[in-house]
Amino acid sequence: RKEVEQDPGPFNVPEGATVAFNCTYSNSASQSFFWYRQDCRKEPKLLMSVYSSGNEDGRFTAQLNRASQYISLLIRDSKLSDSATYLCVVNQGALNFGKGTSLLVTP
Amino acid sequence: DAMVIQNPRYQVTQFGKPVTLSCSQTLNHNVMYWYQQKSSQAPKLLFHYYDKDFNNEADTPDNFQSRRPNTSFCFLDIRSPGLGDTAMYLCATSRDRLGTDTQYFGPGTRLTVL
Repeated sequence: RKEVEQDPGPFNVPEGATVAFNCTYSNSASQSFFWYRQDCRKEPKLLMSVYSSGNEDGRFTAQLNRASQYISLLIRDSKLSDSATYLCVVNQGALNFGKGTSLLVTP
Repeated sequence: DAMVIQNPRYQVTQFGKPVTLSCSQTLNHNVMYWYQQKSSQAPKLLFHYYDKDFNNEADTPDNFQSRRPNTSFCFLDIRSPGLGDTAMYLCATSRDRLGTDTQYFGPGTRLTVL
C-alpha cells in the first residue's frame, strides 16, 4: 500500500468552478501535513499547511481527518492560474509526497 | 531573491560519465535535502544533511553520493549515471527537522543521461 495516495486526475474544470482533491495516508503516526503546488517542469512550492482544525487561505481550504487518515483541499472560484499539479505531502519524520493531482482550469 | 539556487538548471551527460549537481542556500538552514523526481512521479528523497550529519535513505543506490562542505552548499554526485537516472533533481532546505518545518525547494536540475 502506498504511503500517500491521491487521485492523479486530470481534473478539468471551467473558470469559477469549485474543485476538491482528496488524499489518504497510511501511517497513523504522521506528524504534519501539507499541500504543495507544482507547475509543469518547476519545483514544488508550499501552498498551505493542513491543521487539525481545518484552515483557509483565500480561495483555498484544507481539512484533515486523522481518524480516517484523510486530507482534502478545496479550491473555490477557480482561476486559470490555478492549473497545476497539487501534491499531498505527509511528514513522517521525512516528507512523503503523493504523486499529485493534475488540475486544468479552462476558460 | 532566490533562496535556494541550483546549478546547472539543465545537464546532459553520457552513460557512465560522472556528474555533479550543485545546490546553495541563503537561508542559513540546518537541513539540506536531495530529491529525485521522475516524470509523472512524486519526488523521492535520496538523502539529507542535518548540519554535517549525513542521512542516507535505505533504498538510495550507492551510485549517488553527497557532500556538504559548509552550511550554504551541498552537492549531489552521480558516479556512473545510468539511463534510469534521467530525472529532475530537487534540492530543498529546512530550518530544522521538526515535523512542522517548511521545506523550501530550489528550481531543480533536469538531468538527461544519453
